[in-house]
Amino acid sequence: KNQVEQSPQSLIILEGKNCTLQCNYTVSPFSNLRWYKQDTGRGPVSLTIMTFSENTKSNGRYTATLDADTKQSSLHITASQLSDSASYICVVTLSGGYNKLIFGAGTRLAVHP
Amino acid sequence: NAGVTQTPKFQVLKTGQSMTLQCAQDMNHEYMSWYRQDPGMGLRLIHYSVGAGITDQGEVPNGYNVSRSTTEDFPLRLLSAAPSQTSVYFCASRGPGTAPQHFGDGTRLSIL
Repeated sequence: KNQVEQSPQSLIILEGKNCTLQCNYTVSPFSNLRWYKQDTGRGPVSLTIMTFSENTKSNGRYTATLDADTKQSSLHITASQLSDSASYICVVTLSGGYNKLIFGAGTRLAVHP
Repeated sequence: NAGVTQTPKFQVLKTGQSMTLQCAQDMNHEYMSWYRQDPGMGLRLIHYSVGAGITDQGEVPNGYNVSRSTTEDFPLRLLSAAPSQTSVYFCASRGPGTAPQHFGDGTRLSIL
């Protein structure tokens, strides 16, 4: 069964600190993996995309990694800001056809001053 | 930049009522989708369209209908609302290949 599992479910950190969010997937055939940021009351917004051959991708203070062998990805946030408070969703795309997306349930991050 | 626009933002219905959730995009995207987001779960695909006049079922299509008469619009119809359809509904569109999904800000629907 195609699944995407994220951990932790929720996380609280202090402003300025770093954190790492985890994503494990059992999806086949794999096309790519994206991380989305979803602010409260808004739709998700894409942060990064990685294909099978890529093992790291950065977008400002966000760095995503992918280990295709172990089927794990992480999202590292450096020097967190209050505006980083959001849910972060890991999404894996299956190859072929309509490119079906498998969504994780998300990690809810709260950054406190 | 309007992107993907969903209306209404909030709606309360009684069981058995019908309604249409509106979705419009101004990016000339061929692919459009409807998802529902429930607590503790990932987004689940309801229906999708790969172009005007073409629609197909997703993972959880029961109780919902869609149509795609234009590239811009992709409305979602609830035929006879049930409490199990209480959720947040997101419409998304994307370009070809590995282009990212662009999501609207959602419609929060409560069925009493």
